[in-house]
Amino acid sequence: AQKVTQAQTEISVVEKEDVTLDCVYETRDTTYYLFWYKQPPSGELVFLIRRNSFDEQNEISGRYSWNFQKSTSSFNFTITASQVVDSAVYFCALSGRFTSGTYKYIFGTGTRLKVLA
Amino acid sequence: DVKVTQSSRYLVKRTGEKVFLECVQDMDHENMFWYRQDPGLGLRLIYFSYDVKMKEKGDIPEGYSVSREKKERFSLILESASTNQTSMYLCASSLPQGYGYTFGSGTRLTVV
Repeated sequence: AQKVTQAQTEISVVEKEDVTLDCVYETRDTTYYLFWYKQPPSGELVFLIRRNSFDEQNEISGRYSWNFQKSTSSFNFTITASQVVDSAVYFCALSGRFTSGTYKYIFGTGTRLKVLA
Repeated sequence: DVKVTQSSRYLVKRTGEKVFLECVQDMDHENMFWYRQDPGLGLRLIYFSYDVKMKEKGDIPEGYSVSREKKERFSLILESASTNQTSMYLCASSLPQGYGYTFGSGTRLTVV
């Protein structure tokens, strides 16, 4: 079975603090993709990053960084020096397969991040 | 700018009504999806379409049907709306491989 667990339901931090959002996944596939999406109050999910299962290099994009560890089945997301605009719900997702062979994504339940001024 | 457009942002319908939620994408994507989002449950897949007139059930298809007559349009149909279908509905599209979804802005449906 494929599953994504985001154990943190809600996190509150003060502006400029660093914050890490956890994501743990389960899959039997040897090839898969992991994603992070941001959902601001406007409602539209915004794609942040895609990582394939063969690429365990950490990635940094500005204040965002991602740590992928296959040994622990985790794909954690860190925001450095958080800002009020980072307040949103963040979803981690894992690719799976339909019976047709096409990809589908399994989403975690999301982590609501509140950054206080 | 590529887009997935959902026809309504907010919708209020009565119990028993037939409801159509429309989604249009302009990226020539093969795959289109309908999810519903509920607090504490995340995004749950209702239906998926990988080609015109082709569809597959997702995790929670009961009470819903879909239609894809043209590649760019994917409709979600609630045959007889019920209060437990009050939710945020999100449409997405993607290329066949795992390149990531593009989402619409969502339709918040309230069934009274």
